[in-house]
Order: sequence, then C-alpha cells, then structure tokens
Amino acid sequence: GDSVTQMEGPVTLSEEAFLTINCTYTATGYPSLFWYVQYPGEGLQLLLKATKADDKGSNKGFEATYRKETTSFHLEKGSVQVSDSAVYFCALSHILTGGGNKLTFGTGTQLKVEL
Amino acid sequence: GAVVSQHPSWVICKSGTSVKIECRSLDFQATTMFWYRQFPKQSLMLMATSNEGSKATYEQGVEKDKFLINHASLTLSTLTVTSAHPEDSSFYICSATQTSGTYNEQFFGPGTRLTVL
Repeated sequence: GDSVTQMEGPVTLSEEAFLTINCTYTATGYPSLFWYVQYPGEGLQLLLKATKADDKGSNKGFEATYRKETTSFHLEKGSVQVSDSAVYFCALSHILTGGGNKLTFGTGTQLKVEL
Repeated sequence: GAVVSQHPSWVICKSGTSVKIECRSLDFQATTMFWYRQFPKQSLMLMATSNEGSKATYEQGVEKDKFLINHASLTLSTLTVTSAHPEDSSFYICSATQTSGTYNEQFFGPGTRLTVL
C-alpha cells in the first residue's frame, strides 16, 4: 500500500536559517504529492503541491520538487521566520473512482523557529 | 479559502456513552467528507469517506458499528462514537471537498479532542 515517511521532529532553527524537511514515499502509479501545514489550534492547510514528476510546488517561500527517481518530495525554505513555527505534513494522493482524492499522510514534523 | 468547522473542539465523556462530532463546510457545498483519526506523534489515519446521501465507505480495520457516520446534507457530516471506551480517546479530524475535475483539494477542520474516562 501507499506510505509516506518524513523526518522526525521537532526541528528547532534560528530565524533566517535554511530549512529542509525530508519526505519520501512509496506508491503505485503516479500519485500527486502535497505539503500541509498545521498552525497551533488550527486545521491543516494546503501549503503546496506537485502533480507530476519534476514539478516544483511553491508557496510563501517554501518549495518542494517531485523527484520520481528518488521517490522524494523534500520541503525547503531559504530563510525561516518565527511565524513558520508549525507542524508540517507530507502527503500523497490517488484519485478515487467517482471523483475526489484519498490522502495518505506522513507522521508530521514539528518546526520551532526561535529568535 | 474554504472553511470547515468542527463541534465540539473537545469533549470528555464516561466509558459506555456515545459522543457525536459535527463537521460543517461553512461556505461551500461538500459532496465528499473524510474522517481521520490522529494519535499523538502519529500521522492522520483515514477512517472513512462519506458522500452526501449515501453510506460511508470505511477503511479496513475501522468498525462501522462503533463509528457511525452520517452525511445528510451538503454542508454537514457527523461522526458518532458509540459505547465509547478509553481506547477511543484520540484527536478526530474531518475534511471536506467539492467534486470538480480530477483533483479536489481537501479543506480540514480544526479537529476534536475526545477523552473517554
């Protein structure tokens, strides 16, 4: 079955540091890949996505590239801010028959950014 | 973006009682809703998928009679945990999606923390 593996946290960085959160996946076919972010007390929000190999998703300074050869979708940001402190989830999806998509999540990585 | 709410945000109940959790899409019509369960420091586990007006599709290993799901309207789905026991204590999260095209973004609620004493 499908699975997603991401690095364990918490990850603690100083403001303006470079961020990488690793994510690898196992899946049949050609899934779409996502990063979701969960701020304290809020629901998960879609951060970025990529739907095919070599696609790069980007949003709010975050980037991730769909690497089929290494089955990876690592999240990066060049300069983190305190406001980026949250839990980040890597996920993949397959399209369901009749529409909609089924998501498989990684365990989440907590990021703490300090001044 | 689209907003999904859950009620209650947290609930404590006695063992053997039933608890109902509501999931509402506030500004869009959700043809499909999903219910997830999240254990501490673990990923979200999909419990079931529900389409408006039809029976929910449960994932393998999820007890249908224990976790009753109703999706009676395009803006409301409910999860009822029947005869709750301490092992049912968890964080329950719903998401909602509109069906259009091949990819449909899921919008997530803030979650409900259930503690069974």
